[in-house]
Amino acid sequence: AQSVTQLGSHVSVSEGALVLLRCNYSSSVPPYLFWYVQYPNQGLQLLLKYTSAATLVKGINGFEAEFKKSETSFHLTKPSAHMSDAAEYFCAVDTGRRALTFGSGTRLQVQP
Amino acid sequence: DTEVTQTPKHLVMGMTNKKSLKCEQHMGHRAMYWYKQKAKKPPELMFVYSYEKLSINESVPSRFSPECPNSSLLNLHLHALQPEDSALYLCASSSPPGQGNTEAFFGQGTRLTVV
Repeated sequence: AQSVTQLGSHVSVSEGALVLLRCNYSSSVPPYLFWYVQYPNQGLQLLLKYTSAATLVKGINGFEAEFKKSETSFHLTKPSAHMSDAAEYFCAVDTGRRALTFGSGTRLQVQP
Repeated sequence: DTEVTQTPKHLVMGMTNKKSLKCEQHMGHRAMYWYKQKAKKPPELMFVYSYEKLSINESVPSRFSPECPNSSLLNLHLHALQPEDSALYLCASSSPPGQGNTEAFFGQGTRLTVV
């Protein structure tokens, strides 16, 4: 079964620093991959998605992710962190059923 | 309109109660989902409806009963729940496989507490 692994349950960066959240997938075929963000006591908001059209995907709020088949990775980056980026981030894979399987999540803290 | 609306936002129920969670979308999506999210955990799939028919049941206990009365509405009927069922219940919708965009849109969730 397809799955995703997020390395690092907690990441802390300073405001203005680079954000890097890691996600690796296990799949024998190129999957559909997603990054979602969840603020406390709220639902999930889509940041960006990979659907094989382009390997570098730009999303909302300045986030982007690069699909690297050779590394089976789909890491999320943002050049300069903002306090409002503090949240839980989930990488997810579409198992082909249009049903998502989520990684364990990474809590991003942004220090002033 | 890219919203998925869930009601109620919060629900406290006793173990002998019967309650229902509601979800509504007007994006024309024909796939709708229920996910369960425990504290500090990722969402876990419970049910999938495709074209108003149940297509996936992830071995969910029968005390959870889903219903899709039409293409815009999704309900989750709750009966005889246990305290360990306390969680955030998320509804989502998307285009079915083979049609349109792939992403799922999520509601804000219902925070359920079973006492």
